[in-house]
Amino acid sequence: GAVVSQHPSRVICKSGTSVKIECRSLDFQATTMFWYRQFPKKSLMLMATSNEGSKATYEQGVEKDKFLINHASLTLSTLTVTSAHPEDSSFYICSAIGLERDRGLAGGPEETQYFGPGTRLLVL
Amino acid sequence: SQQGEEDPQALSIQEGENATMNCSYKTSINNLQWYRQNSGRGLVHLILIRSNEREKHSGRLRVTLDTSKKSSSLLITASRAADTASYFCATDAGNQFYFGTGTSLTVIP
Repeated sequence: GAVVSQHPSRVICKSGTSVKIECRSLDFQATTMFWYRQFPKKSLMLMATSNEGSKATYEQGVEKDKFLINHASLTLSTLTVTSAHPEDSSFYICSAIGLERDRGLAGGPEETQYFGPGTRLLVL
Repeated sequence: SQQGEEDPQALSIQEGENATMNCSYKTSINNLQWYRQNSGRGLVHLILIRSNEREKHSGRLRVTLDTSKKSSSLLITASRAADTASYFCATDAGNQFYFGTGTSLTVIP
């Protein structure tokens, strides 16, 4: 089945540096990718919706200049945490929606969502 | 990666009826969460149940957890057309989230 990968799986960085996280759809083209952040209460919070070739749509309260999202191709979206601070330490997870053939009721393609394994960021 | 399974894959009910969807998982967990997703939109967190809890309520939502069977259920009572969406369970095993495959719910007005 389709797989979404994230790289790196873990990263530790110093305060003030920038960190880039990649989200790749490995065997399908992702029309839309989502970026989430896990908060201390353990629930995921949607940060932004990323469509290939267009600017990401950020959720209210998420700083666009802080969390830069680039969806350069149908298989790759990147999240860059700029000038990271300890409060940015978190678990970041992406998901990708793409067309998977022969999954629809009529045998046609059906949209399916796949989740990446997540990236744990620790800012010292 | 997705390691949970949900059933049914799709569910269609009349407005006012109750909707029940189930989630099974494979690993030991710290907690289990249910999310809702409208078409083309991101996940929205609905409810979290911890591994030492058996039942939890939030408005019209009722979640149960059976750790011995590694399963959970989400009940939506008195459904509304606006409840039409996909519903996902996610298990938090400490190091990683595992998502179910989702149940597509259609509530017919």
